[in-house]
Amino acid sequence: NAGVTQTPKFQVLKTGQSMTLQCAQDMNHEYMSWYRQDPGMGLRLIHYSVGAGITDQGEVPNGYNVSRSTTEDFPLRLLSAAPSQTSVYFCASSVRDTRRNTQAFFGQGTRLTVV
Amino acid sequence: AQTVTQSQPEMSVQEAETVTLSCTYDTSESDYYLFWYKQPPSRQMILVIRQEAYKQQNATENRFSVNFQKAAKSFSLKISDSQLGDAAMYFCAYRSSPSGTYKYIFGTGTRLKVLA
Repeated sequence: NAGVTQTPKFQVLKTGQSMTLQCAQDMNHEYMSWYRQDPGMGLRLIHYSVGAGITDQGEVPNGYNVSRSTTEDFPLRLLSAAPSQTSVYFCASSVRDTRRNTQAFFGQGTRLTVV
Repeated sequence: AQTVTQSQPEMSVQEAETVTLSCTYDTSESDYYLFWYKQPPSRQMILVIRQEAYKQQNATENRFSVNFQKAAKSFSLKISDSQLGDAAMYFCAYRSSPSGTYKYIFGTGTRLKVLA
């Protein structure tokens, strides 16, 4: 069981560069989301999706884009990296029907540094 | 909007002792779910315990138990017989009911140190 696979685990970017963080899940979960984790701030929601073709903004969406063309994949794009985007990023997935499961499953995280 | 508050940035406990981590939340919903997640140095987010708001009985998982006070909107985690492997960051989280959004809202975390 792969669960939620997130790549890469580490990345260093220069200011202004763009990149895509990949997230894939093999559990047929409807709900997928991206969080960033910063010291003292907990996990803050960037974007989320309730199904293929449907995305919405979370608490801190600026500077990030997402798309959900399939149930399995939910990539996060940094359009023009800024030092303020230095953080640890987590992808998570869960089922819609809480009678099946309420738990969110997380990827291993990506430590991103923007210099 | 729902909020989750963890007022203890850091806690310490002696090995084999008991420690309680605090969490309060704010919501206008009557049906929801609460969680405690553990994040060791590996960064992996691990579910420790969950509680359904409609259940009055407090959830228990081995050495981990919660004190769920719905009226007070309080959800504390008790770790009994603390072990060195319990040292980690602990996050309290909230999820709305099936009819609500599917967002998980996290607190800022409590770093637990276990002293040998």
